[in-house]
Amino acid sequence: AQKITQTQPGMFVQEKEAVTLDCTYDTSDQSYGLFWYKQPSSGEMIFLIYQGSYDEQNATEGRYSLNFQKARKSANLVISASQLGDSAMYFCAMTAISSGYSTLTFGKGTMLLVSP
Amino acid sequence: DTGVSQNPRHKITKRGQNVTFRCDPISEHNRLYWYRQTLGQGPEFLTYFQNEAQLEKSRLLSDRFSAERPKGSFSTLEIQRTEQGDSAMYLCASSLRGGFGNTEAFFGQGTRLTVV
Repeated sequence: AQKITQTQPGMFVQEKEAVTLDCTYDTSDQSYGLFWYKQPSSGEMIFLIYQGSYDEQNATEGRYSLNFQKARKSANLVISASQLGDSAMYFCAMTAISSGYSTLTFGKGTMLLVSP
Repeated sequence: DTGVSQNPRHKITKRGQNVTFRCDPISEHNRLYWYRQTLGQGPEFLTYFQNEAQLEKSRLLSDRFSAERPKGSFSTLEIQRTEQGDSAMYLCASSLRGGFGNTEAFFGQGTRLTVV
């Protein structure tokens, strides 16, 4: 079984600053994938970034980067130059080979508020 | 076709009534997933289909819940004899290839169910 822990219920950041959202995971699988999703108030889960367990480089997608520390089982999301539109819930999730990569296990989420 | 479509977006029903939700995946996506998200929690896996075959069901999917994907295209999720504990956001996702071991899974905006 997989487990995702997000310890920050809420985070505040000023516009244009960088912010790090924490995520730790637990799995006995050697092959797995880690995801970050954004959920605005409209409800849709928007895919942000993906990191495979065997990827040697940290994933980056525009202003998003994933700080993957395999030994510490952490997969923190870094958002550079925050924008007002980044205010939303952010979920860390994982899938693993033991589930055939067929299911996602989510954390409880972190609410990010970006102020002007 | 711009994404995964879910209808209705909101549903209020009286306890004991039956409700049905519909999900239209992205065209040609052969995998379709249902998740449930209660207030303050991350989404939890319910079930998934590969084409018309239902391949896995979570223990969360009690016998009051049934999901179908009759022609391998759209899917329906029915809840019989609704209970207040069924109040949640029901999310649908689809992917082109098997599983979440890639970045090609997309979520709909969800159906928010309120049981009164």
